[in-house]
Amino acid sequence: AQSVTQLDSQVPVFEEAPVELRCNYSSSVSVYLFWYVQYPNQGLQLLLKYLSGSTLVKGINGFEAEFNKSQTSFHLRKPSVHISDTAEYFCAVTRSGQTGANNLFFGTGTRLTVIP
Amino acid sequence: ETGVTQTPRHLVMGMTNKKSLKCEQHLGHNAMYWYKQSAKKPLELMFVYSLEERVENNSVPSRFSPECPNSSHLFLHLHTLQPEDSALYLCASSQAWQGMYEQYFGPGTRLTVT
Repeated sequence: AQSVTQLDSQVPVFEEAPVELRCNYSSSVSVYLFWYVQYPNQGLQLLLKYLSGSTLVKGINGFEAEFNKSQTSFHLRKPSVHISDTAEYFCAVTRSGQTGANNLFFGTGTRLTVIP
Repeated sequence: ETGVTQTPRHLVMGMTNKKSLKCEQHLGHNAMYWYKQSAKKPLELMFVYSLEERVENNSVPSRFSPECPNSSHLFLHLHTLQPEDSALYLCASSQAWQGMYEQYFGPGTRLTVT
């Protein structure tokens, strides 16, 4: 099975500063990786995904993530955060190449708080 | 309506009540999921349906009963719940063919069991 570890449960950062949210995964097979964001009282929204190809993937709202197979990491970054980025961020992994329904394994989430 | 919708958004029920949560996806997907989200815990996958057939049941107590009458609709029937079942229940859908593996989530139903 696959698993995800998000090392930081809370990350406070000042507005317009850069941020990195860390995600490490564990799997014995090839995987696909995802970052989701959850705003208060809402469901999860896909930020970006890595399936194959370039290890640097760009997503919505100015976020990007880099897949590092040797370090089994998929850290999320943004060069300059805004107040509106305050939310919970979830990293998720699934086994690659599945057909039919696919199970996503989620981390415990990182609460990003942007300070004015 | 677009995306994945869930009703009701909030539900308060007593331990002896019977209620149902409804999920509808407008994306033409062929797989649907129920998740439970509790404070300070990872999302817990409860049930998975693929082409309207249940393919996974992650040891969920029988007081939760899913139903998938067609590829667009998913229900979660609730009866004799416990206070620890209070949580945000999220529905999601996906189309695992054609290289799309991400899941699209609804806004959730906030359930409080009293």
